[in-house]
Amino acid sequence: EDQVTQSPEALRLQEGESSSLNCSYTVSGLRGLFWYRQDPGKGPEFLFTLYSAGEEKEKERLKATLTKKESFLHITAPKPEDSATYLCALASGAGSYQLTFGKGTKLSVIP
Amino acid sequence: DAGITQSPRHKVTETGTPVTLRCHQTENHRYMYWYRQDPGHGLRLIHYSYGVKDTDKGEVSDGYSVSRSKTEDFLLTLESATSSQTSVYFCAISEFVSSGNEQYFGPGTRLTVT
Repeated sequence: EDQVTQSPEALRLQEGESSSLNCSYTVSGLRGLFWYRQDPGKGPEFLFTLYSAGEEKEKERLKATLTKKESFLHITAPKPEDSATYLCALASGAGSYQLTFGKGTKLSVIP
Repeated sequence: DAGITQSPRHKVTETGTPVTLRCHQTENHRYMYWYRQDPGHGLRLIHYSYGVKDTDKGEVSDGYSVSRSKTEDFLLTLESATSSQTSVYFCAISEFVSSGNEQYFGPGTRLTVT
């Protein structure tokens, strides 16, 4: 059974204080590892897809990396507008239609 | 937003009543999905569609049915709503599955069953 575990559940950072969010997973045949951002009262917003270990993708202050067991979302010099819940999800060879989501990390960036 | 609307955005209904939620897309994507999101759980797939009139069950399909008569519309029906179906419901769309299936989500419908 595919599993996704995100840590920490919540993270408070001072503006400019860089950190990383973790997504550990077990899967049979990874077809993609996805990162989403979700603001309160809104639907998840797609950020990145990673397909293989060693792959990295960047967008503004965010950088996602992937190993065979984990993915990290690095946030460099965060701003208050980066405050949101970040979701990790994976698609496996067993059922590519279904994304398995983690419970998310709630990030608060304090001015 | 990726051209996805959901209606209604909020609904309060009584136990035992039927409820239909609508998802409408303007992207002409082949795949459409219904998820529910509850505190303490990740997003969980209810049903999905891989084409007009082609649907299948997801992880938490009991008590729900779906229909897709047009590419752009995907309906989720609760035949007899229960309090356990109080949740936020999200529709999502995607074009491909083989390339990794990145999905784009609608704004959500908050459903309360009293």
